[in-house]
Amino acid sequence: GENVEQHPSTLSVQEGDSAVIKCTYSDSASNYFPWYKQELGKGPQLIIDIRSNVGEKKDQRIAVTLNKTAKHFSLHITETQPEDSAVYFCAPVEYGNKLVFGAGTILRVKS
Amino acid sequence: GEEVAQTPKHLVRGEGQKAKLYCAPIKGHSYVFWYQQVLKNEFKFLISFQNENVFDETGMPKERFSAKCLPNSPCSLEIQATKLEDSAVYFCASSGGVAGPFEQFFGPGTRLTVL
Repeated sequence: GENVEQHPSTLSVQEGDSAVIKCTYSDSASNYFPWYKQELGKGPQLIIDIRSNVGEKKDQRIAVTLNKTAKHFSLHITETQPEDSAVYFCAPVEYGNKLVFGAGTILRVKS
Repeated sequence: GEEVAQTPKHLVRGEGQKAKLYCAPIKGHSYVFWYQQVLKNEFKFLISFQNENVFDETGMPKERFSAKCLPNSPCSLEIQATKLEDSAVYFCASSGGVAGPFEQFFGPGTRLTVL
């Protein structure tokens, strides 16, 4: 099955700085790569995703880049704000459409 | 509805008791997924449905866990004879609307505490 590694496990940035979280996966057949944000006491919220035929996708301050050859994809958040503080998960999809979650990254944005 | 609904929010059971969790997927979504989130944020896939049919049950501990998605009813996840290690937050997600089968939208979860 899919083996997913996510780094770093915690990330502290100053408000306004950028944050980057990286995810590596093992299954070369994976073709859908989402990022989820989870706030305390809530369910994961889909914030951005990318398909295997695209290298980069951007939505305002959030972007995702995909390197299928190296089997990794990254989440980029620019101009971070305190409300970006949360736990972020990568979750590439495995056969059968099930998500395989990384271990999560705790992002703290200091104001 | 426009959001995945899960009930109850919290459930407390004594070891050995039964627990039943419910999920109403987003209207028009044909896939339903159940995930378990334990301490340290670890997510584990349990089971998925396509409409009322089991699609993938490779994550289900079959001895005590069962799940259903019947027409015109909320989906359910039932745990017979709960154990301490079943304490977790159980999330339901749905997909399959106009956005396609991959984009999964999660409910708020049910926190199960087994004492």
